[in-house]
Amino acid sequence: DQQVKQNSPSLSVQEGRISILNCDYTNSMFDYFLWYKKYPAEGPTFLISISSIKDKNEDGRFTVFLNKSAKHLSLHIVPSQPGDSAVYFCAASAKGTGFQKLVFGTGTRLLVSP
Amino acid sequence: ETGVTQSPTHLIKTRGQQVTLRCSSQSGHNTVSWYQQALGQGPQFIFQYYREEENGRGNFPPRFSGLQFPNYSSELNVNALELDDSALYLCASSSAGAGQGSTEAFFGQGTRLTVV
Repeated sequence: DQQVKQNSPSLSVQEGRISILNCDYTNSMFDYFLWYKKYPAEGPTFLISISSIKDKNEDGRFTVFLNKSAKHLSLHIVPSQPGDSAVYFCAASAKGTGFQKLVFGTGTRLLVSP
Repeated sequence: ETGVTQSPTHLIKTRGQQVTLRCSSQSGHNTVSWYQQALGQGPQFIFQYYREEENGRGNFPPRFSGLQFPNYSSELNVNALELDDSALYLCASSSAGAGQGSTEAFFGQGTRLTVV
């Protein structure tokens, strides 16, 4: 049962335009969401997170939007740069378990062309 | 500030053997988690260690075990290796602790394990 889904395996965007990466989840107990970027042969790099008490969090070029009623979140990158080309993972965790287990989606490969 | 480091970066083992992977957590972090990432998939949670004890586990068999040391570094041990254990093993450190709320987890570069 895939509790976190990234339905778009890939996305191509031109430099300077907006990149929008989407993520859906099914577990209503999730209360914290994170986005990671991964380059080949490297570990995931933390980008931005959002708590379920918020609907938006912004950090520089990166903004995450959370729609709890739709169980949907998205990552906006504006403006997109060629260095943003990587695989992006959405992850979620639920409080109250006594430990933090991140549940990841399968990733979306972003290609930003000059 | 020192990041999360893992060793070795690559490893080839034979089916049935045992392997130990190592992780040094980021300065100031007291919690270490291990994840397995198969090709084309997202990382899967193996377990989490806090104060030298396992305080959370995913759907992995007991032949996956670990340790956390007083300096918060950690080991992942896998016994009786199977071909399907071939994957990227990722260590993540955080200040999540036990029931202290969610927080960012920072990953190392991973160990690529190949079982032949």
